[in-house]
Amino acid sequence: DVKVTQSSRYLVKRTGEKVFLECVQDMDHENMFWYRQDPGLGLRLIYFSYDVKMKEKGDIPEGYSVSREKKERFSLILESASTNQTSMYLCASTSLGERRNEQFFGPGTRLTVL
Amino acid sequence: GQSLEQPSEVTAVEGAIVQINCTYQTSGFYGLSWYQQHDGGAPTFLSYNALDGLEETGRFSSFLSRSDSYGYLLLQELQMKDSASYFCAVRDQGHSGAGSYQLTFGKGTKLSVIP
Repeated sequence: DVKVTQSSRYLVKRTGEKVFLECVQDMDHENMFWYRQDPGLGLRLIYFSYDVKMKEKGDIPEGYSVSREKKERFSLILESASTNQTSMYLCASTSLGERRNEQFFGPGTRLTVL
Repeated sequence: GQSLEQPSEVTAVEGAIVQINCTYQTSGFYGLSWYQQHDGGAPTFLSYNALDGLEETGRFSSFLSRSDSYGYLLLQELQMKDSASYFCAVRDQGHSGAGSYQLTFGKGTKLSVIP
């Protein structure tokens, strides 16, 4: 089974801190995604990557950056955390093969910015 | 851009059938997906429709009408464990070629199954 792991389930940071969220998948998937999920707003795409070192902005990239140095790892960076970035962050991955229409999600990181 | 509309909440009785509708407006469309998410859990894939018609997988079915920009998820023989949020999502081509694509999700429908 595909496994997508995220570095932390819960994280508490202070305003202005630089925050790194890590995501690792073990199925050699080409595409990886970062979403944030807020009550009543569903999942909103922050950034995605379709290959190593390649990235594309999603719907809400402001205040975030990403890094994909290795195929299995996709990092989300909050350059200077703010309270409005308190949210659940979900990482997902998908292949370009037979199951290309299925995104596999990690368990999520609940980030609180104080 | 993309926008999707689905009901925010639905309540149904155990053993019954429930239909969750999704309408969408898109600038590009490749297919409609459905995901299930239990409280505190990660979204999990249920189905994907690229062509018009009904796709059945066990108790769950998904329907798409491209001409109407409309789809639905049908859950039959409801069980208590089906209580969850259900999201429709539209697949769109990314800007960087065939390898890049993205999903835009609706805001989700919270389904409550009652005894």
